[in-house]
Amino acid sequence: AQSVTQPDIHITVSEGASLELRCNYSYGATPYLFWYVQSPGQGLQLLLKYFSGDTLVQGIKGFEAEFKRSQSSFNLRKPSVHWSDAAEYFCAVGPRAQKLVFGQGTRLTINP
Amino acid sequence: DVKVTQSSRYLVKRTGEKVFLECVQDMDHENMFWYRQDPGLGLRLIYFSYDVKMKEKGDIPEGYSVSREKKERFSMILESASTNQTSMYLCASSPGDRDNQPQHFGDGTRLSIL
Repeated sequence: AQSVTQPDIHITVSEGASLELRCNYSYGATPYLFWYVQSPGQGLQLLLKYFSGDTLVQGIKGFEAEFKRSQSSFNLRKPSVHWSDAAEYFCAVGPRAQKLVFGQGTRLTINP
Repeated sequence: DVKVTQSSRYLVKRTGEKVFLECVQDMDHENMFWYRQDPGLGLRLIYFSYDVKMKEKGDIPEGYSVSREKKERFSMILESASTNQTSMYLCASSPGDRDNQPQHFGDGTRLSIL
C-alpha cells in the first residue's frame, strides 16, 4: 500500500528566505505526485503535479518540486517566500489521480 | 475554473442527529470524493463516486453513507452523528477520462457535533 510522510509538522521561515518542504513516499512504481496548498478556512488548491518526464516541475505561485526516484522524495521548493505563502501544504501520492493518499501536512509560518 | 460548492461552511449538530452534507460541482466531472481532515492526520478518503449511482468505500466509511443521484451532486449522510465525527469535511471532483487529472476541492464544511 502506498504511504506518504511529511516529516515537518510546522516550519517557520522569514519573508524573502528560501523554502523547502519535504515529502517522502512509499510506493512500488512511479506514482502520481501532487502538492496542494490550503489557506486558512479554504479548500485545497493544486500547486503542481508530476507523473512522468522532467523530474523538476514548475507550479503556480513560484513553487517547484523535484522528483527523486532514488530517494522516494518529492520536495517542494520556493526561492523566496512571501507573507501570503503562509498556509498548510499537503503532499499526495497514488497510482492515479483518483486514488490518492495525503500526507499529514506541513504548516508554514512566515516571519516578517 | 472548476467550482466545487459545499452547502455549508459551518454546521453545529447534536449527538444522534442526522446530518446532511451536500456538494455540487459545475464541470460535468465523473468522479467525486468526500474526505475528512483532522489535525496531524491529513486528509482521509471516506467515499468515492465514479458515476451516477456508483460509489466505492474509501479508507474510513464507517458511520457515513453517500448518494449520487445526479452527476453534479454528491451527498453524504451521517445517520446518527457522534462526537468523534467532529471534523472538517472536504468534497472534491475530477474528470474521469484520464488518470492524471487532479482533484478540485471545495472550501470545506466544518462540522461540530455536541
